[in-house]
Amino acid sequence: GEDVEQSLFLSVREGDSSVINCTYTDSSSTYLYWYKQEPGAGLQLLTYIFSNMDMKQDQRLTVLLNKKDKHLSLRIADTQTGDSAIYFCAAPSGGYNKLIFGAGTRLAVHP
Amino acid sequence: KAGVTQTPRYLIKTRGQQVTLSCSPISGHRSVSWYQQTPGQGLQFLFEYFSETQRNKGNFPGRFSGRQFSNSRSEMNVSTLELGDSALYLCASSSMTGNTGELFFGEGSRLTVL
Repeated sequence: GEDVEQSLFLSVREGDSSVINCTYTDSSSTYLYWYKQEPGAGLQLLTYIFSNMDMKQDQRLTVLLNKKDKHLSLRIADTQTGDSAIYFCAAPSGGYNKLIFGAGTRLAVHP
Repeated sequence: KAGVTQTPRYLIKTRGQQVTLSCSPISGHRSVSWYQQTPGQGLQFLFEYFSETQRNKGNFPGRFSGRQFSNSRSEMNVSTLELGDSALYLCASSSMTGNTGELFFGEGSRLTVL
């Protein structure tokens, strides 16, 4: 089945760019997702990319997909303290809104 | 538009008891999914319902069950609670009938089993 892996921690300075990386195993994934979870809250869909795309940009967010290496990344430009959260990479597995999530990358933004 | 509403937000139970969690999806959304989030196992899929039918199920024991009503509201039940069932239970709704994974999550129900 699908497996999704991501690094656990990332610390950046306010104003810098953040890059969160993710690898997945199932090459048949049609969409790949990035979700954000703030403390005490549920998950919020940040963005997603279709498998026939290499890149998707949405304001400060840029998603890069390398299908050959099964590698997905999320770049946050001009990172702010409000971006401090846990970011999850997710891929569909087994149909009907079943997502496999990575362990989550905790992003800490410091002044 | 109101978001996904989960009740209760917090609850404490003892081993052996049972618990029922409720989820009201976004108006017009007919698919409801449930996920369990724990520090050790992360986010794990429990099950998904659409039009009162369970379409998909994760690898959880039969103590975990759910249902969906005609108004798309959903409940999940855990019987004979174990300490390891302590978790944040997240409900998500979707307007898509296909498999896009564009889910809208509630804030979760945090269950503590003593």
